[in-house]
Amino acid sequence: GDSVTQMEGPVTLSEEACLTINCTYTATGYPSLFWYVQYPGEGLQLLLKATKADDKGSNKGFEATYRKETTSFHLEKGSVQVSDSAVYFCALSVGGSQGNLIFGKGTKLSVKP
Amino acid sequence: DAGVIQSPRHEVTEMGQEVTLRCKPISGHDYLFWYRQTMMRGLELLIYFNNNVPIDDSGMPEDRFSAKMPNASFSTLKIQPSEPRDSAVYFCASRRQVTGELFFGEGSRLTVL
Repeated sequence: GDSVTQMEGPVTLSEEACLTINCTYTATGYPSLFWYVQYPGEGLQLLLKATKADDKGSNKGFEATYRKETTSFHLEKGSVQVSDSAVYFCALSVGGSQGNLIFGKGTKLSVKP
Repeated sequence: DAGVIQSPRHEVTEMGQEVTLRCKPISGHDYLFWYRQTMMRGLELLIYFNNNVPIDDSGMPEDRFSAKMPNASFSTLKIQPSEPRDSAVYFCASRRQVTGELFFGEGSRLTVL
């Protein structure tokens, strides 16, 4: 079945360090891919998305490129801030707008000043 | 615009009691989802509706859980009787069919003693 695997955390970085959170997927169709972020005490919110191969999603300095050949959608940021501390979820949606999103288990990021 | 609204935000109850969680999706959204989040199991899909009709309830843990969507603007998730292992944060989310982006509520934190 369709699934998402993302690197386990927690990840602890110093402010201004580079971030990469790995995400790979398994899907029978042509999924859309998403990164959601959950700040403490809040619900998940969409960070960025990509709907087809080679698309790059970007938002708030974060980027992720849809790599069909490696079935990956790694999240990157060149310089993290303390305010980026949160849990990050990779997700996929198969079949366009139909059906559910399948989420990874989440990666907790802590950024220290 | 109002987002997804959940109530109550926090609920503490004793084992055996009935618990009802409520959700008001964003107006115009066709899909409504109920998720459960725990440290051990991460984010789990319980059930989702399309146009008020339950589409997939395979994630509902057992018969103690039930969900309804009597109209496009309201859904409930009921647990009867509740057990300590039901303690979790329950999220409601909604989306429009076209965009695919899920919008989450702030969650209902349930503690069953």
